[in-house]
Amino acid sequence: GDSVTQMEGPVTLSEEAFLTINCTYTATGYPSLFWYVQYPGEGLQLLLKATKADDKGSNKGFEATYRKETTSFHLEKGSVQVSDSAVYFCALYSGGSNYKLTFGKGTLLTVNP
Amino acid sequence: KAGVTQTPRYLIKTRGQQVTLSCSPISGHRSVSWYQQTPGQGLQFLFEYFSETQRNKGNFPGRFSGRQFSNSRSEMNVSTLELGDSALYLCASSLGHRNPNTGELFFGEGSRLTVL
Repeated sequence: GDSVTQMEGPVTLSEEAFLTINCTYTATGYPSLFWYVQYPGEGLQLLLKATKADDKGSNKGFEATYRKETTSFHLEKGSVQVSDSAVYFCALYSGGSNYKLTFGKGTLLTVNP
Repeated sequence: KAGVTQTPRYLIKTRGQQVTLSCSPISGHRSVSWYQQTPGQGLQFLFEYFSETQRNKGNFPGRFSGRQFSNSRSEMNVSTLELGDSALYLCASSLGHRNPNTGELFFGEGSRLTVL
């Protein structure tokens, strides 16, 4: 079945540091890949997505590239801000008759000023 | 455009009781999914509805049930509550197409259930 593995953290960085959160997946076929973010006390919101191999998703300075050969979708940001403190979830959607997202466990990021 | 609305936001129940949670999707979205979020298990899929039909169900006991109405609003019910049912229950809506490129979900803020 589908599965997503991501580094669980927590991750603590200073403002303006470089961020990488690793994500690898197992899926049949060619899934779409997503990063969702959950700010304290809120639901999840889509951060970025990629729908095919070598696609790069980007939003708010965050980037992730769909690497089919390594089955990975690592999240990166060159310079984090305090406002980026949140939980980040990697997810995949394999479509067909599945109709569900499969999520990683989530990574708590804390950015200190 | 209004987002996904979940009610109630917080509730406290005791073991053995039942609870009903409500979700109003984004206008025009016909698919509603439910997820349970706990610190230990993370996000786990409960079920998905499209045009009043359940299309997929996660690995939860029969105490967890749901339904969708003709206006796409959805409810989920948990009967005979157990302590382990304490969680944040998230509802998400989408257009509901089969194409995996449209797997983007729009989440509500969740209903936080505490079972005492």
